[in-house]
Amino acid sequence: GDSVTQMEGPVTLSEEAFLTINCTYTATGYPSLFWYVQYPGEGLQLLLKATKADDKGSNKGFEATYRKETTSFHLEKGSVQVSDSAVYFCALRSGGSNYKLTFGKGTLLTVNP
Amino acid sequence: NAGVTQTPKFQVLKTGQSMTLQCAQDMNHNSMYWYRQDPGMGLRLIYYSASEGTTDKGEVPNGYNVSRLNKREFSLRLESAAPSQTSVYFCASSEALFTGQTYGYTFGSGTRLTVV
Repeated sequence: GDSVTQMEGPVTLSEEAFLTINCTYTATGYPSLFWYVQYPGEGLQLLLKATKADDKGSNKGFEATYRKETTSFHLEKGSVQVSDSAVYFCALRSGGSNYKLTFGKGTLLTVNP
Repeated sequence: NAGVTQTPKFQVLKTGQSMTLQCAQDMNHNSMYWYRQDPGMGLRLIYYSASEGTTDKGEVPNGYNVSRLNKREFSLRLESAAPSQTSVYFCASSEALFTGQTYGYTFGSGTRLTVV
């Protein structure tokens, strides 16, 4: 079945540091890939997405590239801010699962001033 | 503001009590979902409704029932609450399927449920 594996946290960085959160997946067909962010006390919000190989999703300075050859969708940001502190979830929707998103377990990011 | 509204935000139940979590969306989405979020487990799908009038089990349906009351509303019921159901519950919705586009979900802000 479909599955998503993301690096375990927590991740603690200083402001303006470079961020990478690794995400790899197993899926049937050609999945669409997503990153969601959850700020404390809130629901998940879509951060970015990519629907086919080599697509790059980007939003708010975050980027992720759909790499079919390595089945990966790593999240990156060049310079994090304190306000980026949140839990980040990688997710996929495969062609065999029209309705459902499969989520990774989430990575807690804390950015210190 | 448009979005997904969940009620209540917090609830404490005694073992064996029942309750219904309410969810409503005003985006004219066809599909709706209930997830639970537990530490170290990520989000797990409980039930989903692809369209009005249909519901299906997800990964962890035991102990729950759902009702898709109309296009806007999708409720989750715990008939006899157990401590293992202590969790944060999220409702989500998404656009229609088979449109050739890929949509993410819109999530509600969650219900924090404690069963003692």
